[in-house]
Amino acid sequence: GAVVSQHPSWVICKSGTSVKIECRSLDFQATTMFWYRQFPKQSLMLMATSNEGSKATYEQGVEKDKFLINHASLTLSTLTVTSAHPEDSSFYICSASDSSNTGELFFGEGSRLTVL
Amino acid sequence: DAKTTQPPSMDCAEGRAANLPCNHSTISGNEYVYWYRQIHSQGPQYIIHGLKNNETNEMASLIITEDRKSSTLILPHATLRDTAVYYCIVNRDLKTSYDKVIFGPGTSLSVIP
Repeated sequence: GAVVSQHPSWVICKSGTSVKIECRSLDFQATTMFWYRQFPKQSLMLMATSNEGSKATYEQGVEKDKFLINHASLTLSTLTVTSAHPEDSSFYICSASDSSNTGELFFGEGSRLTVL
Repeated sequence: DAKTTQPPSMDCAEGRAANLPCNHSTISGNEYVYWYRQIHSQGPQYIIHGLKNNETNEMASLIITEDRKSSTLILPHATLRDTAVYYCIVNRDLKTSYDKVIFGPGTSLSVIP
């Protein structure tokens, strides 16, 4: 089946640094990808919709200048957490729809960010 | 906001059928019922989806009531590896809509030996 891969799967960084997380659709093209954040014992919270070749659409309350999203190709979207702080520590998950196949929404394995 | 309600948690004995209910009383005519599950510290995994007919695949069965206001996901022979949070989602056809998918709290299923 279609696969969505995230990298890195986990990252630890110092407060004030920036971290980039990649989301790739490995065997299909995805014009739209989605980024979620999940805190412990909570559900997934949608952060933004990533659109290939255009600006991302952010959900209410999500700072677009802090969470930079770039969708430069049909198989790659990146999320950059800028000037990370401990409260940004979370599990970040991306998803993409394989519209050419069954229409299932596939999710990456997730990236766990810990900001010290 | 999520348009579904699910019990927060359920237990199921290993080898028995797990029946996970979902209420979606405001579902629209063009919305499907999708089920995903999330095993701890992993990304969600697609299980099954349906519009109005019951559906079955190698993972589970989906029973949708005739009025489409509720559904039940059935794992016929639960194993310990089925312990996960199960999310019921209603959405237009994800193949064509590119809709953003909103997750509710889901049901935490614990399969007990």
